[in-house]
Amino acid sequence: GAVVSQHPSRVICKSGTSVKIECRSLDFQATTMFWYRQFPKQSLMLMATSNEGSKATYEQGVEKDKFLINHASLTLSTLTVTSAHPEDSSFYICSARAIGRESGEQYFGPGTRLTVT
Amino acid sequence: GQNIDQPTEMTATEGAIVQINCTYQTSGFNGLFWYQQHAGEAPTFLSYNVLDGLEEKGRFSSFLSRSKGYSYLLLKELQMKDSASYLCAAMDSNYQLIWGAGTKLIIKP
Repeated sequence: GAVVSQHPSRVICKSGTSVKIECRSLDFQATTMFWYRQFPKQSLMLMATSNEGSKATYEQGVEKDKFLINHASLTLSTLTVTSAHPEDSSFYICSARAIGRESGEQYFGPGTRLTVT
Repeated sequence: GQNIDQPTEMTATEGAIVQINCTYQTSGFNGLFWYQQHAGEAPTFLSYNVLDGLEEKGRFSSFLSRSKGYSYLLLKELQMKDSASYLCAAMDSNYQLIWGAGTKLIIKP
């Protein structure tokens, strides 16, 4: 149980275009999902916390107009990287926390590797 | 401020034991997590401690001392596949995870 999927697993896009990444909890409901970014040989950096039915909470330094987050249902959150640039190339990972499990573990998706050319 | 400290890199020998330490400072505390992350993959959950003491799970054990703000992950009978980064994360009073930078563990034959 507690499986989180991400789609796509890899994406290459041209500079200036937008890319949407989906994060789904497959066998549980998640009121809260988290979006992380990880550059090579660095640790996870939390970008934003996504709550179903409300606006996402962005970490300091993360542009909310560039990284659009929509948490439309208890099993789906999307991250859209708008007007992508080469410096946005990174490994994007989502995680989800089950309802009623605020102190529980986060279940991670497999990640999406974004390359902007 | 909130802070997690863990060593950047450690090296150990196959079959041996290694202990990865983590110290934390958070606003409130709701538990300490350890995750394993292989290169190019997402983290996978290893352990969770919220009470003082040692939790054993197969070859892996995790220890917590809340009064000292200290945890360690103990890996026994090391295997080559244990080569990975090990991430320590403390959960604060808002149930947010504060992540350490990770410890890269290198296993040598």
